[in-house]
Order: sequence, then structure tokens, then C-alpha cells
Amino acid sequence: EPEVTQTPSHQVTQMGQEVILRCVPISNHLYFYWYRQILGQKVEFLVSFYNNEISEKSEIFDDQFSVERPDGSNFTLKIRSTKLEDSAMYFCASSEEVAGGGEQFFGPGTRLTVL
Amino acid sequence: AQKVTQAQTEISVVEKEDVTLDCVYETRDTTYYLFWYKQPPSGELVFLIRRNSFDEQNEISGRYSWNFQKSTSSFNFTITASQVVDSAVYFCALVNNAGNMLTFGGGTRLMVKP
Repeated sequence: EPEVTQTPSHQVTQMGQEVILRCVPISNHLYFYWYRQILGQKVEFLVSFYNNEISEKSEIFDDQFSVERPDGSNFTLKIRSTKLEDSAMYFCASSEEVAGGGEQFFGPGTRLTVL
Repeated sequence: AQKVTQAQTEISVVEKEDVTLDCVYETRDTTYYLFWYKQPPSGELVFLIRRNSFDEQNEISGRYSWNFQKSTSSFNFTITASQVVDSAVYFCALVNNAGNMLTFGGGTRLMVKP
């Protein structure tokens, strides 16, 4: 069964460093997403991406964040200058359907620890 | 604005008991979709169900059942004859038809003791 994959599973970085989290969505999916979950809290939407551009973003997704689909398979989230409060689990997801009811398939997550 | 509330932060039951997880939502949209996800201790998010706003029929899948009531804006989830493997955090979520942003509730941690 096709699945969303994410690398690395755990990333440790120093405050102020740049990190890139990588995701490989399911191959025939058109919509891609990033969510984050601070430890013990709810899952929060960051951004959605369709047709090589951002379609929606939340207030969390400020200028420190960017997304890119550098090739036909990868979807990346970059945090330019990490802060302690960026420590969280970051989930990538993808969906096939255009309308809002499309099931979003989630990857296993990348745990980011900022020291 | 959309909002999902899961008032029960933590529930503890003994194996074989039935348990219901509550979910109440707010949205101004007439077309929307509701979801339940399971997050086991390993951390991944496992899709359980999707329900659109026009389909109020209750659904049963094995030991799982869902009760969607538009009149009370609720989408509750019941596990019958709970098992230890059901121990996880369960999230209810909402998306409107125009967007793809899932709005999650705060989650309910279910602990099933042997």
C-alpha cells in the first residue's frame, strides 16, 4: 500500500540553525500539507501546497518557514532560523482529491528538537 | 472560523468496557467533512473515518461506531469491548469543502487497562 514517507525521523539542531524536513508524498496525489504537533498538544495546520504554490497557510507559517517541491517526488519544509519553540513533531500529508473532503494520508512524522 | 472541541482530555477504562469519545465542532460552512484519527504511542496519525455533512447515517466498523448529529454539531466515537491496543490519543478533525486545512481538536487520551 502506498504511503507517505518522511526523513529524518528525528532531527536535533541548535537554535538559529536552518533545518530542512523532507517528505515523499504518495505518487499520484496532488495536494501536500505540513502540520506540526508540539509535545502533548493538538495537531496544527501549517501550510497546504498545490500546483507548485502555497494554497493556504496558517498564522504559524511565518517568514521563517518555506516549502518547496524541488523535484517530482520530494516536498520539503525549511525553517530558516530555528527557535526553541519550533521543537515539535512535524507531519507531512498528501491527498488526491481537489475538494476539501479528500482523505489526507499522514507520514510518520519528523521529531525536531531545537537546543 | 472553525473549531473542534474534545472536552475529555483523558479517559481511563478497564478492558472490555465500552467507551465514547466526544467531539463537538463549530463551522459556518454548510458543506464540511469530519474525521477521526488515532495516534498510538509510536506517534503516527492513523485515519479512522471521514464523514461528510450531508450524511448523518451512523457508521459501524467492527468494534468502532460513530454517531454524527448535525443538530448538536457532534461527531462522537464509540469503542465497544475496548482492548489494551486501543490505548492511544484520538483526534477529531474538521475541514470545509473550500479548503484543505484540517482543524484538529485537542485530542482525548484513552487508556485501556487490562
